[in-house]
This record gives sequence, C-alpha cells and structure tokens, in this order.
Amino acid sequence: QQQVKQSPQSLIVQKGGISIINCAYENTAFDYFPWYQQFPGKGPALLIAIRPDVSEKKEGRFTISFNKSAKQFSLHIMDSQPGDSATYFCAASINRGNEKLTFGTGTRLTIIP
Amino acid sequence: NAGVMQNPRHLVRRRGQEARLRCSPMKGHSHVYWYRQLPEEGLKFMVYLQKENIIDESGMPKERFSAEFPKEGPSILRIQQVVRGDSAAYFCASSLGVGEQFFGPGTRLTVL
Repeated sequence: QQQVKQSPQSLIVQKGGISIINCAYENTAFDYFPWYQQFPGKGPALLIAIRPDVSEKKEGRFTISFNKSAKQFSLHIMDSQPGDSATYFCAASINRGNEKLTFGTGTRLTIIP
Repeated sequence: NAGVMQNPRHLVRRRGQEARLRCSPMKGHSHVYWYRQLPEEGLKFMVYLQKENIIDESGMPKERFSAEFPKEGPSILRIQQVVRGDSAAYFCASSLGVGEQFFGPGTRLTVL
C-alpha cells in the first residue's frame, strides 16, 4: 500500500517534444506529491510538487497533472531540451510532506537533438 | 546560504569495518531524513530524526545500522560490520518540518 509505481523506466524524446512520466499510488492518505530531478553523481532536487486539492500545477515548462479518483499523477515537460536529460523520480508523502517520502523507481529521460 | 552538506562524498570500507556518514542540515532545519539508493533504483527511506529524537526508523535494518542527530553537530548514520550489500549511495535530506525536503549530494559507500 505504500508503493508508488512509476513508468516508463526510460524515455527518449526529441528536442522540442513533450516528455510525459506517469505515477500511480495506492495509499489514499498521501497528500503531498513532489517530483525530483537527479543528475548523475548528484542528489535529487525538487522540481515541482502538488497537493490533492488541485488537478494541475504549472511552473514554466513543467506541469503536474493529478487525478485523485484514479490515484495517478504525471509530469509533463514541454519543449524538452537536452539539459533536461536526467533521472526523474515521483514521490508521495503524508502529513503535508512532514513525513518520509515514498519514491517511484525513476525514469531516465534522454533528450536527443 | 549553504545547502545540505554530507561527508565524506566517497567512502571505501572492507567487509567487517564500520562506516560513519555525516549530514549537516540546512541552516534552521531541525528535521533530517536518511535515504539509501541502490544502483539503478529509487531512493528508499531509512530513518527520520529531529534534534535528539528518532521519529521514524521503519526503513532502517534492525541490525548493524543506527542513526543519531545530537543537539549539537551533524546527524550521523552508522553502519557496523559492513557487508557488500551495503554498497550504495546514502542521501540525507533536511526540512523545516513541512513541505520540501532538501537533499545533500550523497555519500557513495563502496564495500570491498
């Protein structure tokens, strides 16, 4: 029940295209859903986060779509750039983030020219 | 304004030795979380601490692993009698207690 399932495992997108990564969860107590970006040899960095009271949040080229009834959320990267090539992790937490994060297994994104 | 600091960045130990990993949270943060990342896998929660207290250690192996966050000084993750399966990247994160957890650069432990 604590799992967060993430897909795809890897993704190749052409420069300028839209990258879409999906996550699904089981625990309805989760109330905080962040996305982290990780470059090789570095720690994860928060990209964008959403709470279940909204269905969409946009920050620049990054958008989270949230479907509470389906218990799914996704990250959309518009106009994908080579600098976006990294591993992306979705995560979930309870108590508004004041608890442990449960991470998805990650998506390795590669943006090709 | 320094971020979360971890040291050492790389640590090599032989089987049976002890590993000590240190984490200094961001200034003003009193909540520290430790996560482990195995190669090609996601991060797994280990332990959540506030100053001088362990709040949640549900992800910590019952034997050989311990963590502390003293009133003064960094948080320490200690692994006794390391085995090859302990080889991983260990990340520390800190927060104010609500919202974003800020991650350090990690300590990469290699057990020979």
